[in-house]
Amino acid sequence: DADVTQTPRNRITKTGKRIMLECSQTKGHDRMYWYRQDPGLGLRLIYYSFDVKDINKGEISDGYSVSRQAQAKFSLSLESAIPNQTALYFCATSEKTSWSGIGEQFFGPGTRLTVL
Amino acid sequence: GQSLEQPSEVTAVEGAIVQINCTYQTSGFYGLSWYQQHDGGAPTFLSYNALDGLEETGRFSSFLSRSDSYGYLLLQELQMKDSASYFCAVVSGSARQLTFGSGTQLTVLP
Repeated sequence: DADVTQTPRNRITKTGKRIMLECSQTKGHDRMYWYRQDPGLGLRLIYYSFDVKDINKGEISDGYSVSRQAQAKFSLSLESAIPNQTALYFCATSEKTSWSGIGEQFFGPGTRLTVL
Repeated sequence: GQSLEQPSEVTAVEGAIVQINCTYQTSGFYGLSWYQQHDGGAPTFLSYNALDGLEETGRFSSFLSRSDSYGYLLLQELQMKDSASYFCAVVSGSARQLTFGSGTQLTVLP
């Protein structure tokens, strides 16, 4: 079984629609992240959460919101989708404070979102 | 702000050695990570350097020079399956976030 799962894996929607992407993990990690990846580019951080009550904006949070429903679940919402939010979205998790592990994140399989 | 630079493309033949360089500018630097991503797949962690020097893991090695704000990933005995994108990422700031470079597309030819 996958440690980090994302649903849906693919989604096509129209401009103005509300979309929710979901992420679940069985790794027992406290930290969870949402990234977007555009073709030919690296990953950019949207939001991150260090525990259920600690949610922080990343580099590109405008137009997005998140919810940390439980330690294992972290959802990303697009309140009113627009075409330039078409991208590949990844959820990731990491351990809390391990010195040797702070550079390691575990990624889900991604959600390919297309906004028409 | 933060910035990372790495070559956009590298091509090599099977069995060869290839080095992918990464230079960075950041504040609150903790270390440098490397990730591999096959087409359509999730990024997977390869290595992390917090201290200067070379870290070896099988066919892959990673190097860091904090004074030069520079690191590299060295892939030896290249195999066709190594064809993928490779991203360097700095760990920085009080939140110890990852900031990714734009990636290097490695093509391994037979």
